[in-house]
Amino acid sequence: AQTVTQSQPEMSVQEAETVTLSCTYDTSESDYYLFWYKQPPSRQMILVIRQEAYKQQNATENRFSVNFQKAAKSFSLKISDSQLGDAAMYFCAYSGQGGSEKLVFGKGMKLTVNP
Amino acid sequence: DVKVTQSSRYLVKRTGEKVFLECVQDMDHENMFWYRQDPGLGLRLIYFSYDVKMKEKGDIPEGYSVSREKKERFSLILESASTNQTSMYLCASSLPYPLRDVEETQYFGPGTRLLVL
Repeated sequence: AQTVTQSQPEMSVQEAETVTLSCTYDTSESDYYLFWYKQPPSRQMILVIRQEAYKQQNATENRFSVNFQKAAKSFSLKISDSQLGDAAMYFCAYSGQGGSEKLVFGKGMKLTVNP
Repeated sequence: DVKVTQSSRYLVKRTGEKVFLECVQDMDHENMFWYRQDPGLGLRLIYFSYDVKMKEKGDIPEGYSVSREKKERFSLILESASTNQTSMYLCASSLPYPLRDVEETQYFGPGTRLLVL
């Protein structure tokens, strides 16, 4: 069975600084998808960024980028120029098929952004 | 925009009650999911459905059942609520197996926080 591990339950960052959230996963599949989801205090879970394992290029989305290391099974999220609105729970997730099938989530990490 | 709605944001029930949590999506998605979210445990899949009247167990189905009579609606049923089912429940929907390079994901509802007394 696939597992996703987020080893840091909480992190904090100063506004405008850069922070990296770590995630590791375990799978025997060669084709899969990885996601970072954000859940602000209002509780609506939204997608931050998506990475397809067959793509070597790391995904980027404005201030958000990933460092995908397939061999190491590592998938970290970098948030640049942190903003107060980035404060949220962040979940790393894995999907073994098309990317919208069953998701396996990590336990989440609470990010605090200090002004 | 995809919209996934859940019937209640907060719900208080008593032990032994039968509880219905409703989820509706407006994007004609085939897939629908019910997750349970607990602090320190992340999200865990309870049940999912690939089509009307089809359902499959997730990782923690015990004590729950589901119903999908219409494509847009997926209901989670707690047959006899217990205090250990106090939790946040999240519904999600998605397209079926997508094409590569098509940005696709699961879309989540706002959640229902259930308290069982």
